Amino acid sequence: SAVISQKPSRDICQRGTSLTIQCQVDSQVTMMFWYRQQPGQSLTLIATANQGSEATYESGFVIDKFPISRPNLTFSTLTVSNMSPEDSSIYLCSVEVLGAGYGYTFGSGTRLTVV
Amino acid sequence: SQQGEEDPQALSIQEGENATMNCSYKTSINNLQWYRQNSGRGLVHLILIRSNEREKHSGRLRVTLDTSKKSSSLLITASRAADTASYFCATDAGTYKYIFGTGTRLKVLA
Repeated sequence: SAVISQKPSRDICQRGTSLTIQCQVDSQVTMMFWYRQQPGQSLTLIATANQGSEATYESGFVIDKFPISRPNLTFSTLTVSNMSPEDSSIYLCSVEVLGAGYGYTFGSGTRLTVV
Repeated sequence: SQQGEEDPQALSIQEGENATMNCSYKTSINNLQWYRQNSGRGLVHLILIRSNEREKHSGRLRVTLDTSKKSSSLLITASRAADTASYFCATDAGTYKYIFGTGTRLKVLA
């Protein structure tokens, strides 16, 4: 299975600023996803990161707030823009390597605290 | 809205006991997966069960699926302190996309 390196592992940021989270995979993958996990909650899909084109966002998430890049098949970034305390969450990237039905591999997550 | 609802929300058992957690979902699925999350870290994939399967085993884990009731259960036998974690079910919500349940927080007491 793929190995994912996600950076940073945690950060404390001032409101109004932006943070870019990186997700590096050790092999080429077709599908990459970004999730948010608010404190004590389950995971919510933010968007699917598409290689070479704009990300596909889920309802409630917009590109201006969560711009995503995916320049190649092994790397993606998620930016949390103009942060507020409500953005304090764990952000996780995940990939599906072997085709539908084989499960996701998740990065270790980025714990973001906005003060 | 979330596809999966899990119960119990929290479960505390003694080491050596079995732990059972349940997941209910709303719409038809192709498969259902179970994940473990330790201390707010990344999720670890445990097991996948397809809609045409009724039961699956992996080590101390046993997963059942009842598509008529739209429910699944995860049984951990002979639990250990290291099994303390949150457990989530995830159901497919379209091509390559999954929706995660609310999770069960399991605490295994030594």
